[in-house]
Amino acid sequence: KAGVTQTPRYLIKTRGQQVTLSCSPISGHRSVSWYQQTPGQGLQFLFEYFSETQRNKGNFPGRFSGRQFSNSRSEMNVSTLELGDSALYLCASTGPSGANVLTFGAGSRLTVL
Amino acid sequence: GENVEQHPSTLSVQEGDSAVIKCTYSDSASNYFPWYKQELGKRPQLIIDIRSNVGEKKDQRIAVTLNKTAKHFSLHITETQPEDSAVYFCAASGTGGYNKLIFGAGTRLAVHP
Repeated sequence: KAGVTQTPRYLIKTRGQQVTLSCSPISGHRSVSWYQQTPGQGLQFLFEYFSETQRNKGNFPGRFSGRQFSNSRSEMNVSTLELGDSALYLCASTGPSGANVLTFGAGSRLTVL
Repeated sequence: GENVEQHPSTLSVQEGDSAVIKCTYSDSASNYFPWYKQELGKRPQLIIDIRSNVGEKKDQRIAVTLNKTAKHFSLHITETQPEDSAVYFCAASGTGGYNKLIFGAGTRLAVHP
């Protein structure tokens, strides 16, 4: 059974640009959550999607957005990038039998120059 | 607001010793408490979890205890091995549920042979 797949794994952008990250959950998992990991702030919840609907959102500015497709794949977008957006962005999926049980992908490491 | 405090931030033990990591959470509605292990350059992996209707759970060399009254939960690793060296994160389910986790800042555990 394939795990959670995130693409791209690494990317470099400059301030002011925008970026889109993709996450394919484990087959059969309909919930996808996104987290930002930085050395200073640790792991912080961005948002969670289920059946193409955002069910919960963390305390991030509106520059951070996401969506989920009918096949449960999810994307997150960050517009007008700032230096502080440099981070590891982790996606996690949850299946129907394990409420709150997150399985993480390997992450997308974003560097903003 | 929602908060999870984790101590210590670093822990160094000799192989074979026990290690204990403690967390305190703020939201009395939290009902799910997982622990994740993250090795350098790898994704966080769930190692054990506990729900609020259980006081203690054990899986081989690792155990977790929960005190809901005091809003404390702890991870215990016995007979530590060098491969236990990693960063450990505690988490508590957040407001609004839906797979939102509030993470502690992490504990860097070093097990010396």
